[in-house]
Amino acid sequence: AQSVTQLDSQVPVFEEAPVELRCNYSSSVSVYLFWYVQYPNQGLQLLLKYLSGSTLVKGINGFEAEFNKSQTSFHLRKPSVHISDTAEYFCAVSDITQGGSEKLVFGKGTKLTVNP
Amino acid sequence: NAGVMQNPRHLVRRRGQEARLRCSPMKGHSHVYWYRQLPEEGLKFMVYLQKENIIDESGMPKERFSAEFPKEGPSILRIQQVVRGDSAAYFCASSPVRLSEQYFGPGTRLTVT
Repeated sequence: AQSVTQLDSQVPVFEEAPVELRCNYSSSVSVYLFWYVQYPNQGLQLLLKYLSGSTLVKGINGFEAEFNKSQTSFHLRKPSVHISDTAEYFCAVSDITQGGSEKLVFGKGTKLTVNP
Repeated sequence: NAGVMQNPRHLVRRRGQEARLRCSPMKGHSHVYWYRQLPEEGLKFMVYLQKENIIDESGMPKERFSAEFPKEGPSILRIQQVVRGDSAAYFCASSPVRLSEQYFGPGTRLTVT
């Protein structure tokens, strides 16, 4: 079974500052990794995904994440945040083995608040 | 290409009533997933369906909950005899093939009074 730990439940930052949202996962099988963003009272939007290949993944809105297999981490970063980045961010994993469940296993989320 | 559609967006039910949540996947998507988001918790998987088949229902409560994805029409998540603990946001996601990214709908927010 997989599990995801998002180490920070809330992250306050000032506008134009860099930010890192941390995600660690646990799995005995190969996984795909995702970051989703949820704005208030809305659904989830995919920010980026790691399936294979380069461990540095670039996503939408200037976000990027780095897959570190030895540390089982997939931290999300942005060099300069905007007020509009205020939202909740979810890290998720999916079992990709043959016959594995298609389900996404989510962390509990990190609320990013960008202050002026 | 329209995204994943869910209706209703908000649903209020009294304890003991039935709730029916609908999900229309994106065009060309034959895989549907339901997730539940409870207050102060992350999203939890409930069920994974393909057309006319339930593939994985390991996250579904054993009683009162059921899901279907018929050959024609939307996927339905049905909750019988709702209780206050069923109050949550229910999200549907779809994907075109196995092992691909899931696209989420806007959710249905169920309130049980």
